[in-house]
Amino acid sequence: DTAVSQTPKYLVTQMGNDKSIKCEQNLGHDTMYWYKQDSKKFLKIMFSYNNKELIINETVPNRFSPKSPDKAHLNLHINSLELGDSAVYFCASSPNSGSRTDTQYFGPGTRLTVL
Amino acid sequence: AQSVTQLGSHVSVSEGALVLLRCNYSSSVPPYLFWYVQYPNQGLQLLLKYTSAATLVKGINGFEAEFKKSETSFHLTKPSAHMSDAAEYFCAVRGSGSARQLTFGSGTQLTVLP
Repeated sequence: DTAVSQTPKYLVTQMGNDKSIKCEQNLGHDTMYWYKQDSKKFLKIMFSYNNKELIINETVPNRFSPKSPDKAHLNLHINSLELGDSAVYFCASSPNSGSRTDTQYFGPGTRLTVL
Repeated sequence: AQSVTQLGSHVSVSEGALVLLRCNYSSSVPPYLFWYVQYPNQGLQLLLKYTSAATLVKGINGFEAEFKKSETSFHLTKPSAHMSDAAEYFCAVRGSGSARQLTFGSGTQLTVLP
């Protein structure tokens, strides 16, 4: 049983297109995150939702829009894709954003390539 | 604000040798620190975490880390490297704000030589 799953695993698309990445967790966690890992492996938080409510929105272009239909799902929609959006996007979840000791569980990542 | 610095983007050790991966933190509040491992083309997996219960933390796969407040360090060690330890290792600190996101270091690529 996969705890945190993402689809698709690979995504290759042209500049200017709109695409979505889906994330689902079956751990019963309240909090979900999106991280971006660039070509130098640097990981940076993008968004976080707690019980479907947006609680982190880092300095991310507004072409990126997260959506949480329920607390088990957090999707990422990207409009007007640019070359610089090429990266690996990781979804993660944790039991409760209010606890600093909670472990975050990561999905396998989605490798986005913009041509 | 919290941050972590990982010294050495690449570390090579021989199989059976000691592994030492360095992490220093900066935090305005007592830090909660984590080490994650990323195997090629996979997501991140928690190795261990420091939550102030004990300064020496034991994790999975024989790894451990010691929290040293005086040195603001949380270095990761393993007495004897195995080929399967080759991976990217990330140190991270948990934020103090309401959102509690992780701030990651730049990662250390560990190579294990036969």
